Amino acid sequence: KQEVTQIPAALSVPEGENLVLNCSFTDSAIYNLQWFRQDPGKGLTSLLLIQSSQREQTSGRLNASLDKSSGRSTLYIAASQPGDSATYLCAVYRDDKIIFGKGTRLHILP
Amino acid sequence: DTAVSQTPKYLVTQMGNDKSIKCEQNLGHDTMYWYKQDSKKFLKIMFSYNNKELIINETVPNRFSPKSPDKAHLNLHINSLELGDSAVYFCASSPRGERAEAFFGQGTRLTVV
Repeated sequence: KQEVTQIPAALSVPEGENLVLNCSFTDSAIYNLQWFRQDPGKGLTSLLLIQSSQREQTSGRLNASLDKSSGRSTLYIAASQPGDSATYLCAVYRDDKIIFGKGTRLHILP
Repeated sequence: DTAVSQTPKYLVTQMGNDKSIKCEQNLGHDTMYWYKQDSKKFLKIMFSYNNKELIINETVPNRFSPKSPDKAHLNLHINSLELGDSAVYFCASSPRGERAEAFFGQGTRLTVV
């Protein structure tokens, strides 16, 4: 049974710092991995999708990597801003099922 | 031009009532999902449909009955609502396969009193 774990559960960093969020999954037989952002009381916004054949994806200040064999992914956020404060969710997909981690609550201190 | 839309956004109802949440996607995706986000903010899959056919039912009580009249719609009907059903329900859609990027609706906050 696929399980997705995100570490840390919460993180506070001063504005301007670079940071890394971690995601691990127990079954490496995935089709892809997706990082989402969720603001309080809002829906999920897709940030990056990494297909199983890819190693990383970049969008602006965000870079996500995937090591499928070891069951790990990282989301790197460069030069953090207060607007980056949100919960970040990692999810893996296979066979019509998307399994989520419990998220990392990120707070960027102005 | 919303990709995945759910209605209503908020739903407050009494225990024992029956209610429905509607979901529509205009992305042409084959697969649609219902997720429940509990008070601890954990997102758990409830159902997955592909081309109107039920693919996954994650041991959800029979009081929950999804219905997909066509590929673009997946509605959720809930009978005999209980206090524990209070949560945020999210609809999502995706294509199939390796490029299956999922898109989520804005959620329906259900409160059972």
